[in-house]
Amino acid sequence: DSGVTQTPKHLITATGQRVTLRCSPRSGDLSVYWYQQSLDQGLQFLIHYYNGEERAKGNILERFSAQQFPDLHSELNLSSLELGDSALYFCASTPGGADTQYFGPGTRLTVL
Amino acid sequence: SQQGEEDPQALSIQEGENATMNCSYKTSINNLQWYRQNSGRGLVHLILIRSNEREKHSGRLRVTLDTSKKSSSLLITASRAADTASYFCATGYSGGSNYKLTFGKGTLLTVNP
Repeated sequence: DSGVTQTPKHLITATGQRVTLRCSPRSGDLSVYWYQQSLDQGLQFLIHYYNGEERAKGNILERFSAQQFPDLHSELNLSSLELGDSALYFCASTPGGADTQYFGPGTRLTVL
Repeated sequence: SQQGEEDPQALSIQEGENATMNCSYKTSINNLQWYRQNSGRGLVHLILIRSNEREKHSGRLRVTLDTSKKSSSLLITASRAADTASYFCATGYSGGSNYKLTFGKGTLLTVNP
């Protein structure tokens, strides 16, 4: 158990809908990273937050957004969902300034 | 685009044998890490090697890094059926205040009992 929690574990929704994925980092970790994993694209970095501030963006679509709250949990919002958004979404946390990332168990999103 | 490229894409061995996976990358790095993922689950950090290190050991794991060839290898000795998983290399790079980890597509290791 990495200490990172993600909810929900599974999410099934329809095209055009909006969903919110939640991540709670390890106690004391200030950085949260979001990744998308699909069979064709592999593990893609989406966005990084540090202590509530956005630090870096990767291959994140404009339909996706994220935020990190004062209690350091983070949410990834996915809107106008398409079939191709079906994937595993992971968050990972680090203390900040550390290199090793601790991954949550992921949320499996299925868009029908 | 992916920074790290693992080779082979899939590897099947017998229990007790050694498994070697390779990773090549294209640009400068601060460190290179290896992660393991059991099917559909979260990634687990295995080992980190810094750009000024050439070899590192952790239990049955041995990692080498050749920055001149921009390549790394992960050796798992005396493999067990429980080692069956996907293994990813990830290159770490710090630019300013940002640290970015870029993953390859992974090697699927199957250890047959």
